[in-house]
Amino acid sequence: DADVTQTPRNRITKTGKRIMLECSQTKGHDRMYWYRQDPGLGLRLIYYSFDVKDINKGEISDGYSVSRQAQAKFSLSLESAIPNQTALYFCATEKRQGANSGSGELFFGEGSRLTVL
Amino acid sequence: TQLLEQSPQFLSIQEGENLTVYCNSSSVFSSLQWYRQEPGEGPVLLVTVVTGGEVKKLKRLTFQFGDARKDSSLHITAAQPGDTGLYLCAGAVRNFGNEKLTFGTGTRLTIIP
Repeated sequence: DADVTQTPRNRITKTGKRIMLECSQTKGHDRMYWYRQDPGLGLRLIYYSFDVKDINKGEISDGYSVSRQAQAKFSLSLESAIPNQTALYFCATEKRQGANSGSGELFFGEGSRLTVL
Repeated sequence: TQLLEQSPQFLSIQEGENLTVYCNSSSVFSSLQWYRQEPGEGPVLLVTVVTGGEVKKLKRLTFQFGDARKDSSLHITAAQPGDTGLYLCAGAVRNFGNEKLTFGTGTRLTIIP
């Protein structure tokens, strides 16, 4: 079984609909992230959470919200989906690293492909 | 704002050839990571470099962090079809005690058997 599980893997929806993408992890990591991937743009950070009580906006948070229900669960919501939110979305976890050791390794789920018509 | 530019964006070469892909920025990074992503999967970490000028080798892959910690390169020797994938660099910037990772635009590599 995957350490970082995303559901659904694929979703087609219509403009204006509310969508939730869910992420669960069995790695026991405190840090969790939501990214979106678009061709030619790499991965862009939407939201991140360093623990259950900590939520932070990333570079492209407008139109999105998140909920950290538990250490293992981090969900991403689109309250009113629009076509330019069509993308591949990734959840990732990170193990906190010691000082001067660089950023920790990110462990990604397999992605959720969302199409907004 | 895209801080990290990767080049080339696409590269298609024959099996057995050598190649280099680049990751460039005007920003200084405290560390830099390289990931490889295969179709239908999430990115997987290949290496982390921390020190300016650092060189790390992973079998046929050689990673170098620039002396000024603003750029990095990935060199593959004798490329194989299994090297096909999207290569992403990611630079870490320290901000208020935490490190924030920014991903590059990606290089899509295809190795032709």
